[in-house]
Amino acid sequence: QVQLQESGPGLVKPAQTLSLTCSFSGGSVTSGHYFWSWIRQLPGKGLEWLGYVYYSDTPYYNPSLKSRLSISLDTSKNELSLNLTSVTAAHSAVYNCARATGATSSFDLWGHGTLATVSS
Amino acid sequence: SYVLTQAPSVSVAPGHAASITCGGNNVGSKSVHWYQQKPGQAPVLVVYDDSDRPSGIPERFSGSNSGNTATLTISRVEAGDEADYYCQVWDITSGHVVFGGGTRLTVL
Repeated sequence: QVQLQESGPGLVKPAQTLSLTCSFSGGSVTSGHYFWSWIRQLPGKGLEWLGYVYYSDTPYYNPSLKSRLSISLDTSKNELSLNLTSVTAAHSAVYNCARATGATSSFDLWGHGTLATVSS
Repeated sequence: SYVLTQAPSVSVAPGHAASITCGGNNVGSKSVHWYQQKPGQAPVLVVYDDSDRPSGIPERFSGSNSGNTATLTISRVEAGDEADYYCQVWDITSGHVVFGGGTRLTVL
């Protein structure tokens, strides 16, 4: 059974870096034509795409966060990672990883999400 | 950047049909995908490529896309369909993913 599972610190102090990982089980992040993404949801708000990476290509980022966001694949660990620098309370959200198929560009597999709170 | 516009809320009585729209400039030329999100849960893909359903999604969920509007239609609405619904496209020009703001479906 394929699944995605996010993990992270839960609480991050302002101005620090938020680091999250997403483990993929039941397959390999290098197999198939898939794009691996991070999507977040601010409290009471809608879905916001953050960026995606295809294992052999350059990541694409949401322009609003591009200067402080880094997304990468660790193929040895079968994981997707996110680093968001200089965070503020406005970055507190539920962060989901998701897989998009290259054939349809739809997100067919999602993790349950991890809550990240920025607070001192 | 490309923008998708959804009405914040739609209400429907059980057994009736609900239509949730997603507006965008010439969205009919793009593939639109729809997600259902219930409170505390991750989104679930219910329609992809305008009108196709993933395995396990009831036939009551259907989609269409033409001109500047894509539509998700849920026929014979049930209480369990109450959720937030999001449309999504992949803007090939920029390589970016775009979500609509979401529509909350309330079953009366």
